[in-house]
Amino acid sequence: DAKTTQPNSMESNEEEPVHLPCNHSTISGTDYIHWYRQLPSQGPEYVIHGLTSNVNNRMASLAIAEDRKSSTLILHRATLRDAAVYYCILRDVSKGNTGKLIFGQGTTLQVKP
Amino acid sequence: EAQVTQNPRYLITVTGKKLTVTCSQNMNHEYMSWYRQDPGLGLRQIYYSMNVEVTDKGDVPEGYKVSRKEKRNFPLILESPSPNQTSLYFCASSIGFYNSPLHFGNGTRLTVT
Repeated sequence: DAKTTQPNSMESNEEEPVHLPCNHSTISGTDYIHWYRQLPSQGPEYVIHGLTSNVNNRMASLAIAEDRKSSTLILHRATLRDAAVYYCILRDVSKGNTGKLIFGQGTTLQVKP
Repeated sequence: EAQVTQNPRYLITVTGKKLTVTCSQNMNHEYMSWYRQDPGLGLRQIYYSMNVEVTDKGDVPEGYKVSRKEKRNFPLILESPSPNQTSLYFCASSIGFYNSPLHFGNGTRLTVT
Protein backbone atom coordinates (compact mmCIF):
# COMPACT_ATOMS: atom_id res chain seq x y z
CA ASP A 1 0.00 0.00 0.00
CA ALA A 2 1.20 3.48 -0.81
CA LYS A 3 2.07 5.37 2.39
CA THR A 4 2.99 8.92 3.27
CA THR A 5 5.76 10.27 5.48
CA GLN A 6 5.59 13.65 7.19
CA PRO A 7 7.73 15.38 9.82
CA ASN A 8 6.26 15.06 13.30
CA SER A 9 6.28 18.78 14.00
CA MET A 10 7.11 22.17 12.56
CA GLU A 11 7.15 25.72 13.86
CA SER A 12 6.37 28.95 12.13
CA ASN A 13 6.07 32.60 12.99
CA GLU A 14 2.79 34.37 12.48
CA GLU A 15 2.33 35.98 9.05
CA GLU A 16 5.24 34.05 7.55
CA PRO A 17 4.87 31.36 4.88
CA VAL A 18 4.90 27.72 5.92
CA HIS A 19 5.93 24.77 3.76
CA LEU A 20 4.71 21.40 5.00
CA PRO A 21 6.36 18.46 3.19
CA CYS A 22 5.01 15.00 2.47
CA ASN A 23 6.79 12.04 0.90
CA HIS A 24 4.85 9.37 -0.97
CA SER A 25 7.43 7.46 -2.94
CA THR A 26 5.14 4.50 -3.74
CA ILE A 27 2.25 6.58 -5.02
CA SER A 28 0.36 4.99 -7.89
CA GLY A 29 -0.58 6.73 -11.12
CA THR A 30 -4.16 7.50 -10.22
CA ASP A 31 -3.76 8.31 -6.50
CA TYR A 32 -4.95 11.77 -5.62
CA ILE A 33 -3.01 13.67 -2.95
CA HIS A 34 -5.25 15.20 -0.31
CA TRP A 35 -4.40 17.43 2.64
CA TYR A 36 -6.50 17.80 5.76
CA ARG A 37 -5.96 19.55 9.03
CA GLN A 38 -7.34 18.93 12.49
CA LEU A 39 -7.77 21.62 15.07
CA PRO A 40 -7.99 20.65 18.73
CA SER A 41 -11.26 18.94 19.68
CA GLN A 42 -12.55 18.93 16.11
CA GLY A 43 -12.86 16.53 13.22
CA PRO A 44 -10.42 16.80 10.32
CA GLU A 45 -11.09 19.57 7.82
CA TYR A 46 -10.37 19.43 4.10
CA VAL A 47 -7.65 21.81 2.91
CA ILE A 48 -6.73 20.99 -0.69
CA HIS A 49 -6.10 18.14 -3.12
CA GLY A 50 -4.45 17.50 -6.48
CA LEU A 51 -3.25 14.87 -8.94
CA THR A 52 -0.31 16.19 -10.95
CA SER A 53 -0.47 19.95 -11.30
CA ASN A 54 0.01 22.53 -8.59
CA VAL A 55 -3.25 23.70 -7.05
CA ASN A 56 -4.34 26.88 -5.30
CA ASN A 57 -7.41 27.72 -3.24
CA ARG A 58 -8.34 30.30 -0.64
CA MET A 59 -6.76 28.29 2.16
CA ALA A 60 -3.47 27.11 0.71
CA SER A 61 -1.41 25.97 -2.27
CA LEU A 62 -0.30 22.47 -3.12
CA ALA A 63 2.97 21.91 -4.94
CA ILE A 64 3.40 18.43 -6.41
CA ALA A 65 6.80 17.16 -7.53
CA GLU A 66 7.14 16.24 -11.17
CA ASP A 67 7.63 12.56 -10.32
CA ARG A 68 4.73 12.81 -7.80
CA LYS A 69 6.80 11.17 -5.09
CA SER A 70 6.48 14.17 -2.83
CA SER A 71 4.29 17.21 -2.30
CA THR A 72 4.30 20.38 -0.23
CA LEU A 73 1.40 22.20 1.36
CA ILE A 74 2.04 25.93 1.40
CA LEU A 75 0.31 28.30 3.80
CA HIS A 76 1.19 31.71 2.44
CA ARG A 77 0.76 33.67 5.67
CA ALA A 78 0.38 31.59 8.79
CA THR A 79 -2.04 32.78 11.45
CA LEU A 80 -2.54 31.52 14.99
CA ARG A 81 -5.70 29.77 13.78
CA ASP A 82 -3.57 27.65 11.44
CA ALA A 83 -2.01 25.83 14.40
CA ALA A 84 -3.21 22.27 13.86
CA VAL A 85 -2.18 18.76 12.85
CA TYR A 86 -1.84 18.55 9.06
CA TYR A 87 -2.41 15.21 7.34
CA CYS A 88 -1.24 14.21 3.90
CA ILE A 89 -3.50 11.47 2.48
CA LEU A 90 -3.44 9.29 -0.60
CA ARG A 91 -6.63 7.79 -1.97
CA ASP A 92 -5.48 4.25 -2.61
CA VAL A 93 -6.51 2.48 -5.78
CA SER A 94 -3.79 -0.15 -5.88
CA LYS A 95 -6.33 -2.94 -5.58
CA GLY A 96 -8.83 -1.40 -7.94
CA ASN A 97 -11.38 1.06 -6.55
CA THR A 98 -11.09 -0.19 -2.99
CA GLY A 99 -11.95 3.17 -1.42
CA LYS A 100 -9.20 2.73 1.14
CA LEU A 101 -7.62 5.92 2.47
CA ILE A 102 -4.18 6.00 4.02
CA PHE A 103 -3.36 8.71 6.54
CA GLY A 104 0.19 9.77 7.33
CA GLN A 105 1.13 10.42 10.95
CA GLY A 106 0.54 14.09 10.49
CA THR A 107 2.61 17.19 11.16
CA THR A 108 1.81 19.29 14.21
CA LEU A 109 2.22 22.90 13.21
CA GLN A 110 2.91 25.47 15.91
CA VAL A 111 2.49 29.12 15.03
CA LYS A 112 4.27 31.65 17.21
CA PRO A 113 2.92 35.19 17.57
CA GLU B 1 -26.68 23.07 6.46
CA ALA B 2 -24.56 20.37 4.86
CA GLN B 3 -23.12 18.20 7.57
CA VAL B 4 -22.14 14.82 8.93
CA THR B 5 -23.84 14.11 12.24
CA GLN B 6 -22.59 11.57 14.73
CA ASN B 7 -24.34 10.47 17.89
CA PRO B 8 -23.63 10.30 20.69
CA ARG B 9 -20.73 12.73 21.20
CA TYR B 10 -19.66 10.97 24.38
CA LEU B 11 -20.33 7.41 25.51
CA ILE B 12 -19.15 5.43 28.51
CA THR B 13 -19.99 1.75 28.56
CA VAL B 14 -18.87 -1.54 30.04
CA THR B 15 -17.10 -4.46 28.43
CA GLY B 16 -19.37 -6.69 26.39
CA LYS B 17 -22.40 -4.42 26.19
CA LYS B 18 -23.39 -3.98 22.54
CA LEU B 19 -23.51 -0.42 21.28
CA THR B 20 -24.13 1.49 18.08
CA VAL B 21 -22.70 4.84 17.06
CA THR B 22 -24.84 6.49 14.42
CA CYS B 23 -23.65 8.55 11.47
CA SER B 24 -25.86 10.45 9.09
CA GLN B 25 -25.08 12.82 6.21
CA ASN B 26 -27.49 15.11 4.38
CA MET B 27 -25.41 15.69 1.25
CA ASN B 28 -26.45 12.62 -0.78
CA HIS B 29 -22.86 11.35 -0.64
CA GLU B 30 -22.08 7.91 -1.98
CA TYR B 31 -18.89 7.30 -0.02
CA MET B 32 -18.86 6.99 3.79
CA SER B 33 -16.24 5.74 6.21
CA TRP B 34 -15.34 5.33 9.87
CA TYR B 35 -12.04 6.15 11.56
CA ARG B 36 -10.64 5.84 15.03
CA GLN B 37 -8.04 8.17 16.44
CA ASP B 38 -5.64 7.21 19.19
CA PRO B 39 -2.73 9.18 20.67
CA GLY B 40 0.44 8.68 18.68
CA LEU B 41 -1.31 6.66 15.97
CA GLY B 42 -3.16 9.33 14.01
CA LEU B 43 -6.38 8.37 12.21
CA ARG B 44 -6.92 4.78 11.11
CA GLN B 45 -9.72 3.65 8.87
CA ILE B 46 -12.07 1.02 10.30
CA TYR B 47 -14.60 0.43 7.51
CA TYR B 48 -15.78 2.23 4.42
CA SER B 49 -18.71 2.07 2.03
CA MET B 50 -18.70 2.96 -1.65
CA ASN B 51 -22.50 2.94 -1.87
CA VAL B 52 -25.63 1.36 -0.44
CA GLU B 53 -25.04 -2.30 0.48
CA VAL B 54 -21.34 -2.01 -0.47
CA THR B 55 -18.94 -2.05 2.49
CA ASP B 56 -15.33 -3.12 2.99
CA LYS B 57 -12.66 -3.32 5.66
CA GLY B 58 -10.16 -0.59 6.34
CA ASP B 59 -6.97 -0.95 8.37
CA VAL B 60 -8.45 -1.88 11.76
CA PRO B 61 -11.83 -3.63 11.28
CA GLU B 62 -11.52 -6.23 14.06
CA GLY B 63 -14.28 -5.93 16.65
CA TYR B 64 -16.47 -3.67 14.52
CA LYS B 65 -19.39 -4.08 12.15
CA VAL B 66 -21.09 -1.64 9.81
CA SER B 67 -24.13 -1.57 7.61
CA ARG B 68 -25.26 0.66 4.75
CA LYS B 69 -28.95 0.07 4.14
CA GLU B 70 -29.62 3.69 3.15
CA LYS B 71 -27.36 6.19 1.45
CA ARG B 72 -27.50 8.72 4.28
CA ASN B 73 -26.77 6.42 7.24
CA PHE B 74 -23.67 4.41 8.13
CA PRO B 75 -23.83 3.11 11.71
CA LEU B 76 -20.82 1.62 13.50
CA ILE B 77 -21.65 -1.39 15.65
CA LEU B 78 -19.56 -2.82 18.47
CA GLU B 79 -21.08 -6.20 19.28
CA SER B 80 -18.93 -6.84 22.34
CA PRO B 81 -16.88 -3.76 23.19
CA SER B 82 -13.54 -4.17 24.92
CA PRO B 83 -11.30 -1.60 26.67
CA ASN B 84 -8.93 -1.49 23.68
CA GLN B 85 -11.78 0.06 21.69
CA THR B 86 -11.69 3.12 23.90
CA SER B 87 -10.99 5.81 21.34
CA LEU B 88 -12.18 8.89 19.47
CA TYR B 89 -14.27 7.90 16.46
CA PHE B 90 -14.97 9.94 13.34
CA CYS B 91 -17.40 9.37 10.53
CA ALA B 92 -16.75 10.93 7.12
CA SER B 93 -18.47 11.15 3.74
CA SER B 94 -17.74 12.39 0.23
CA ILE B 95 -19.54 12.63 -3.09
CA GLY B 96 -17.20 10.25 -4.84
CA PHE B 97 -13.95 8.49 -4.23
CA TYR B 98 -10.95 9.96 -6.04
CA ASN B 99 -11.53 13.60 -6.43
CA SER B 100 -13.84 14.92 -3.76
CA PRO B 101 -13.20 16.27 -0.27
CA LEU B 102 -14.11 14.27 2.80
CA HIS B 103 -16.54 15.84 5.24
CA PHE B 104 -15.97 14.71 8.82
CA GLY B 105 -18.31 14.62 11.77
CA ASN B 106 -17.37 16.12 15.12
CA GLY B 107 -16.43 12.82 16.67
CA THR B 108 -17.64 10.36 19.30
CA ARG B 109 -15.49 9.78 22.33
CA LEU B 110 -16.02 6.23 23.52
CA THR B 111 -14.79 4.84 26.83
CA VAL B 112 -15.11 1.12 27.53
CA THR B 113 -14.47 0.10 31.15
